[in-house]
Amino acid sequence: QVQLVESGGGVVQPGRSLRLSCAASGFTLSTYGMHWVRQAPGKGLEWVAHVGYNGDNLHYADSVKGRFTISRDTSKNTVHLQMNSLRADDTAVYYCARDFTGHWTIDYWGRGTLVTV
Amino acid sequence: QSALTQPASVSGSPGQSITISCTGTSSDVGDYNYVSWYQQHSGKAPKLIIYDVNGRPSGVSTRFSGSKSGDTASLTISGLQGEDEADYYCISYTSSRTWVFGGGTKLTVL
Repeated sequence: QVQLVESGGGVVQPGRSLRLSCAASGFTLSTYGMHWVRQAPGKGLEWVAHVGYNGDNLHYADSVKGRFTISRDTSKNTVHLQMNSLRADDTAVYYCARDFTGHWTIDYWGRGTLVTV
Repeated sequence: QSALTQPASVSGSPGQSITISCTGTSSDVGDYNYVSWYQQHSGKAPKLIIYDVNGRPSGVSTRFSGSKSGDTASLTISGLQGEDEADYYCISYTSSRTWVFGGGTKLTVL
């Protein structure tokens, strides 16, 4: 079955960098787009970034554009989120999530990894 | 990329029906039928309950239904049950090729 397992979260000082990883299993990453979504403590969901199934189409929320980079390694079935110039308001649980192909939304979610800035 | 507008909270008694609205703009909700809804229980990952405005994933109860009129989408839950108590979020694809969530609605079953 589809599984998404995030890792790489932790405590980091403002201005520093952190790289999140998402290990995907139960499907082939090269045929699905992937998202990162975050949720600040006690707050709502915020869409962060998306990489298309072909790896070429990258899109970001205005709040992270220029600081975060989404990428994927199809050989390892892994998605990454490189986060630079971190700010206190980046503190959140970061979820990795899979495209629901053809429906422009998300079907499967990981359990999330907490980033504290 | 302003968040879609949802009521902060709604409530209802078991067996009743409730509706949660999700208001966007002509660049998101009004422009695409790519509105989805998620249910999130405390401490858990969100679960897809409605896609493409009114589509229902396999395994999701028929008590959940969706609709859209103009820039506003709606989620209706009929025959409320205690297990429906959760946070609900809408999301829409946008003309900027991004996605935007609603602020979330806390459903309380009285």
